[in-house]
Amino acid sequence: AQRVTQPEKLLSVFKGAPVELKCNYSYSGSPELFWYVQYSRQRLQLLLRHISRESIKGFTADLNKGETSFHLKKPFAQEEDSAMYYCALGIKYGQNFVFGPGTRLSVLP
Amino acid sequence: DAGVTQSPTHLIKTRGQQVTLRCSPISGHKSVSWYQQVLGQGPQFIFQYYEKEERGRGNFPDRFSARQFPNYSSELNVNALLLGDSALYLCASSLGAKGKEFISPQHFGDGTRLSIL
Repeated sequence: AQRVTQPEKLLSVFKGAPVELKCNYSYSGSPELFWYVQYSRQRLQLLLRHISRESIKGFTADLNKGETSFHLKKPFAQEEDSAMYYCALGIKYGQNFVFGPGTRLSVLP
Repeated sequence: DAGVTQSPTHLIKTRGQQVTLRCSPISGHKSVSWYQQVLGQGPQFIFQYYEKEERGRGNFPDRFSARQFPNYSSELNVNALLLGDSALYLCASSLGAKGKEFISPQHFGDGTRLSIL
């Protein structure tokens, strides 16, 4: 069965510190992975997707098929990065998205 | 473009009642998906429709049903409401794809918060 896990419910870091939000998935097919973010009082929005291989707001994520991971990283956290982050697995057949439980990132001043 | 719009914003129902939630996708998007988000959890997939056809169904009972209209808007219906149906119901639209070329990202609405008394 398809599954996404995010081991940390809450992650607190100081401003300027590196941050890594962990995501692991289980899927027998070819995965497409996404990171979604929800800032306070805003709707859920796409942050980045692995096939784009881009950096958004300083965040990057690399798909590691061997470790079935898609960790989100940023070298220097900013206070405005404080939000809820969800890792999601896209499944082609049925166009289904499986979301992880989310990690709340708190960047302290 | 206002993005994905959902109505109503909030809804209070009692056990056993029926509810209809509505969603208008982003202009040009042909795919609509519905998710249930219980407090403290990530969104859980309920249905996906593309070009008015059901393309995917999550692990939800038959009390949950949906449809998509010719203008690509969608309704989610839940019958015989239970206390456990209390949640935020999210609608997401995407360009969609026929076949397996790519998965287009989902664009979410603000959701309808459903409370069952």
